[in-house]
Amino acid sequence: QSALTQPASVSGSPGQSITISCTGTSSDIGTYNLVSWYQQHPGKAPKLIIYEGSKRPSGVSDRFSGSKSGNTASLTISGLQAEDESDYFCCSYTTSRSWVFGGGTELTVL
Amino acid sequence: QVQLQESGPGLVKPSQTLSLTCTVSGGSISSGGYYWSWIRQHPGKGLEWIGYIYHSGSTNYNPSLKSRVTISVDTSKNQFSLKVNSVTAADTALYYCARDSSGVVGVNWGQGTLVTVTS
Repeated sequence: QSALTQPASVSGSPGQSITISCTGTSSDIGTYNLVSWYQQHPGKAPKLIIYEGSKRPSGVSDRFSGSKSGNTASLTISGLQAEDESDYFCCSYTTSRSWVFGGGTELTVL
Repeated sequence: QVQLQESGPGLVKPSQTLSLTCTVSGGSISSGGYYWSWIRQHPGKGLEWIGYIYHSGSTNYNPSLKSRVTISVDTSKNQFSLKVNSVTAADTALYYCARDSSGVVGVNWGQGTLVTVTS
């Protein structure tokens, strides 16, 4: 299975909104609504911020939201803050009964 | 709050077997309801799911690694383990253990342990 496709980098100014895309296939994102998103700061373990496409774990800011259309999932961060500068990864369940991650997107807050 | 901690050798020689253990605290593996995964991250790159195990011993592996990987569980020690056979430099990575819920991988993560394959 191939990794999900994410842009290598995105950027935005404080207060703005940004969207990170995650493109898969009909064997993963297109079939299941089991997409999750993770935030990873340098030297730290990933942290789950979105699961089942659009749900937020307790304690995660409502500035983070997720959606899906066809074979593409998206993570939107609104009201961008300096602390949001991080790497973001998507993940989807697949028809092979396995999980596949995206290559990651580096978010820069200008 | 459940905590996970990876342990094992940081250096492994090519063609040998990589062995790691994840010790779980703050929750019991045998209580069920969760899956226990291994995930790795190559230096400067993305994440790769290796496989998971349920407390019953049922496993599922990444098809690309399946032939070389074994995940096992020891509920008496509240640990689960990873073995990767016939390692090469391509197996050099930061290895994480994680607790999954149904339909969600990586709800909780260990801090990760770096394994370098080198002669």
